[in-house]
Amino acid sequence: GENVEQHPSTLSVQEGDSAVIKCTYSDSASNYFPWYKQELGKRPQLIIDIRSNVGEKKDQRIAVTLNKTAKHFSLHITETQPEDSAVYFCAASTYGQNFVFGPGTRLSVLP
Amino acid sequence: DVKVTQSSRYLVKRTGEKVFLECVQDMDHENMFWYRQDPGLGLRLIYFSYDVKMKEKGDIPEGYSVSREKKERFSLILESASTNQTSMYLCASTPLIGLNYGYTFGSGTRLTVV
Repeated sequence: GENVEQHPSTLSVQEGDSAVIKCTYSDSASNYFPWYKQELGKRPQLIIDIRSNVGEKKDQRIAVTLNKTAKHFSLHITETQPEDSAVYFCAASTYGQNFVFGPGTRLSVLP
Repeated sequence: DVKVTQSSRYLVKRTGEKVFLECVQDMDHENMFWYRQDPGLGLRLIYFSYDVKMKEKGDIPEGYSVSREKKERFSLILESASTNQTSMYLCASTPLIGLNYGYTFGSGTRLTVV
C-alpha cells in the first residue's frame, strides 16, 4: 500500500522568509496530492493540491511542485507571515480514493 | 458555512462506556471517513464508507465500529472505551466522482477516556 513520509516534522522560520515542506510517496499509481493546513484547535483545511499531469501549481504565496519520477512533492510558502503558523499535512491519493496522509509538519513563523 | 458537522467538540467518558461520535455532512458526498489524530502520528484512518450501509476497515479499526444508515450521517462507535482511545477524532467527506477530490473535515471531537 501507499506510504507517505513528510519532512521536517517541525520548522521555524523568520517572518518574511520562505518555508519548504517535502513529502515522498511510494505508490506510483497515486495521482492526486493535496496539502492541508490545520491551525491550532481548528479543522484541517485544503490549501492547495496538484494532480500528476502537472509539475507545479501556484496560488499567491503558496506553491506545490511534483516530481513523479522521484515520487516526491513539496509545499513552498514565500514571504511567510505569523498566520502561516500551523500544522501542515500532505497526502497522496489515487483519483481521490484511498488517501494516505503524512505525519504533519509544525511550522512556526517567528516575528 | 459549516458543511461537515461533528456533534460534540469535547467528550469525557469512563473506561468501558459505549461511545457514539456523530458526523453529518450536507454536501451529498458519497464517501465519509473517520480518522484519529495523535501527536507525531498524523491522521490515521479508522473506518470509511463509500455508500449507505457500506463500511470498510481502515488502518486501525480495532476497538471501533461504524454505522451509516443514511448518506449524510456516519457514526463512529467505541464499543467499550479504553484510555488508549483518548484522542482527537476527525470526520471527513469527499464526493465519489467529480473534479474536487479534496477532503472536507469536521471540526473534530476531542475524546478523553478516564
